[in-house]
Amino acid sequence: VLTQSPGTLFLSPGEKATLSCRASQGVSVSYLAWYQQKPGQAPRLVMYGTNMRASGIPDRFTGSGSGTDFTLTISRLEPEDFGVYYCQQFTNSFHFGGGTKVEI
Amino acid sequence: QVQLQESGPGLVKPSQTLSLTCTVSGGSVTRDTFYWNWIRQPAGKGPEWIGRVYASGSTNYNPSLKGRVNILVDTSKNQFSLQLTSVTAADSAMYYCARSTEAYYYYIDSWGQGILVTVSS
Repeated sequence: VLTQSPGTLFLSPGEKATLSCRASQGVSVSYLAWYQQKPGQAPRLVMYGTNMRASGIPDRFTGSGSGTDFTLTISRLEPEDFGVYYCQQFTNSFHFGGGTKVEI
Repeated sequence: QVQLQESGPGLVKPSQTLSLTCTVSGGSVTRDTFYWNWIRQPAGKGPEWIGRVYASGSTNYNPSLKGRVNILVDTSKNQFSLQLTSVTAADSAMYYCARSTEAYYYYIDSWGQGILVTVSS
């Protein structure tokens, strides 16, 4: 089970966002990913392998963590960064967290 | 760049079978290290992985779906499909087909646009 916190982050453009993902059991760093989803769209890969940015993702996005605690940090929020973020782990199957909504 | 497109009925009656097809373009379903997945997302909730198929036909399913799922691949058509039997209102969701990369890293790298399926009489 993946537990994401907080449920909602109310922030302004230019501020820093820190999103948490906690696993009920240890997760390999190679198997932890993050996705961004906007209304009416499919999720979009943001980070894989805990700290590897997906193609086209700017360097204001940083992933970190190990074991059961993982973090996605957005250093300076841009208007296009707002949306819902999901963490994902793989243990014989894919599991997703409940999401953190980053809202203005 | 690979593209995935879901197709199928948007309305299914309770107790019937939900059947969806995913057509893959810009890449082959037979390519190594890629798996082909079905994922669903009820309104306002996080994604739920349903299962996946490899080009060889081998599959893995979410145990929570209790044997109601069948995923097949058709390499001649570059498609894969989902069958979910004995549906109830709880199966109403946006259904996505997606490609996963499973080598050293495991993640979903491409998603279809999704198809909304409602279970209702």
